[in-house]
Amino acid sequence: NAGVTQTPKFRVLKTGQSMTLLCAQDMNHEYMYWYRQDPGMGLRLIHYSVGEGTTAKGEVPDGYNVSRLKKQNFLLGLESAAPSQTSVYFCASSYAASSYNSPLHFGNGTRLTVT
Amino acid sequence: AQSVSQHNHHVILSEAASLELGCNYSYGGTVNLFWYVQYPGQHLQLLLKYFSGDPLVKGIKGFEAEFIKSKFSFNLRKPSVQWSDTAEYFCAVKGSARQLTFGSGTQLTVLP
Repeated sequence: NAGVTQTPKFRVLKTGQSMTLLCAQDMNHEYMYWYRQDPGMGLRLIHYSVGEGTTAKGEVPDGYNVSRLKKQNFLLGLESAAPSQTSVYFCASSYAASSYNSPLHFGNGTRLTVT
Repeated sequence: AQSVSQHNHHVILSEAASLELGCNYSYGGTVNLFWYVQYPGQHLQLLLKYFSGDPLVKGIKGFEAEFIKSKFSFNLRKPSVQWSDTAEYFCAVKGSARQLTFGSGTQLTVLP
């Protein structure tokens, strides 16, 4: 059981370049999330999805786009990378939004550096 | 809007010392509260959670947390820490929103 898988694990971009981060989960979870983790700021929600074909903005959505074309995949796109987007990105999924038995399952993270 | 404050950014303890990490939240309604742990180089894992009932919640690895509604707090405790508890600890709250709001994290370093 792979759980939540993120690709790539590391990436270095130059300012203005674009890239897509892929998150895949094999637990049939409805909810998926993209967070960024920065020192001293914890995890901040970028975008999330409550089901296939739906997405919503989180706390820090600017500069990012997402898509959820298939239930198991949640893509995070950077159209024009900026140094401020240097961060560690975590994907997470859950079966439901508020069920006691539905905690978040996290991927191993993607470390992105924008120069 | 819901928010979480973790005032201790870095805590250093010796093995066998007792631990208490502070977590205060801001939300006026019913909340679900969580503590997550991130060991070096790994992803976040759920340590414990509170939804309702007994305000003293026990989690994995000997950790526990107490929900004090009047203080809007959910502090994490462990009577005797081990070197292997070295990690970053995140408190999180879910109020009316569909997603969790995380605190800024507390780095715990346990000296052998």
